[in-house]
Amino acid sequence: SQQGEEDPQALSIQEGENATMNCSYKTSINNLQWYRQNSGRGLVHLILIRSNEREKHSGRLRVTLDTSKKSSSLLITASRAADTASYFCATASIPGTYKYIFGTGTRLKVLA
Amino acid sequence: DTEVTQTPKHLVMGMTNKKSLKCEQHMGHRAMYWYKQKAKKPPELMFVYSYEKLSINESVPSRFSPECPNSSLLNLHLHALQPEDSALYLCASSQPGGPAYNEQFFGPGTRLTVL
Repeated sequence: SQQGEEDPQALSIQEGENATMNCSYKTSINNLQWYRQNSGRGLVHLILIRSNEREKHSGRLRVTLDTSKKSSSLLITASRAADTASYFCATASIPGTYKYIFGTGTRLKVLA
Repeated sequence: DTEVTQTPKHLVMGMTNKKSLKCEQHMGHRAMYWYKQKAKKPPELMFVYSYEKLSINESVPSRFSPECPNSSLLNLHLHALQPEDSALYLCASSQPGGPAYNEQFFGPGTRLTVL
């Protein structure tokens, strides 16, 4: 399977703490994207990082990409109860193939 | 308008029924996707339409039949489904060129239960 791996599978933290989740993938990529999914709902795009970028920020989100290790991390700072969701990384390799390879997901629970 | 809409939100059907899922976007995207997602699993790609033509069929059983009547609409026709087909069905759209260049916008999904 070409599916990416994410760890941890589940993470429970207190409000105000930082949450870090990691994604590893198997093939060379054009970009890597992170999505959030609230329970049983659609996916919301969070951030896209291109293969020539090493770090990207968006509000309380920080994403890093290490193409030599084929890995990425998503850091959510000062977490809130509303951040409770599943987080998926998705990679896209060959231009024009229209295929995403999703990671297995991390289920984050932020306790108030 | 950066929204992908899907109807219905919930659908319960018997194994002999015929039903359809509908997806609509008005962002001018020319690539549209159907995904199937089981609980606690990532989405699995089913079909991709590019410029209203079927571009990818991920070996999906013929009881699922996609249709792209125009650049804004995507349908998924369902017939003789099995209980194991119960899942969340997600529609997405993106600019041409696919995810290697662009983000995908997802709809809220249709929760399908097959009895």
